[in-house]
Amino acid sequence: DAGITQSPRHKVTETGTPVTLRCHQTENHRYMYWYRQDPGHGLRLIHYSYGVKDTDKGEVSDGYSVSRSKTEDFLLTLESATSSQTSVYFCAISEGPGQPYEQYFGPGTRLTVT
Amino acid sequence: KNEVEQSPQNLTAQEGEFITINCSYSVGISALHWLQQHPGGGIVSLFMLSSGKKKHGRLIATINIQEKHSSLHITASHPRDSAVYICAVRGNNDMRFGAGTRLTVKP
Repeated sequence: DAGITQSPRHKVTETGTPVTLRCHQTENHRYMYWYRQDPGHGLRLIHYSYGVKDTDKGEVSDGYSVSRSKTEDFLLTLESATSSQTSVYFCAISEGPGQPYEQYFGPGTRLTVT
Repeated sequence: KNEVEQSPQNLTAQEGEFITINCSYSVGISALHWLQQHPGGGIVSLFMLSSGKKKHGRLIATINIQEKHSSLHITASHPRDSAVYICAVRGNNDMRFGAGTRLTVKP
């Protein structure tokens, strides 16, 4: 298994509070991704990183920011959480952006915003 | 319309049955992935393919690039195959995912 951990694994927070989710990898992969997974939808890309301090927006980036100050860590921040951000969040890593590189997924973080 | 469509959404089978899950996509791709997500949430990659057919144990994945269609087959299905199966297509810089097919195999 690829060495990817996410923390916390579960979090309940109140509307309007800031939340930071952490993804940590031990594989030294260049690319890191944050996705959210909601019922009836496929995984949707929030933001991704292609190197330290290099990030770009994905399909559903509104309300989220990211930072990558070290190769191994990719942080996802909800500046002011809303109920629509209740979801399961997955981090993924990859050596490169496309074929032939696999994406490896973390275990997920279940976030509930009340 | 989603760029990646899977069918069926839900599938219940008896142990031993042959199972097919379909995936159609509408965008250009460099590769197509089949992923498996077990209850508890972990996602693992089953196949990555860009042409033809791949086989791993009881699992077979095929892709028809001209038709923009892929199928995942499970032969001699078993209750431990119960999971959500996700089709994903790889572009140059991103992946687009289907909503998944929930498979339940009953003993």
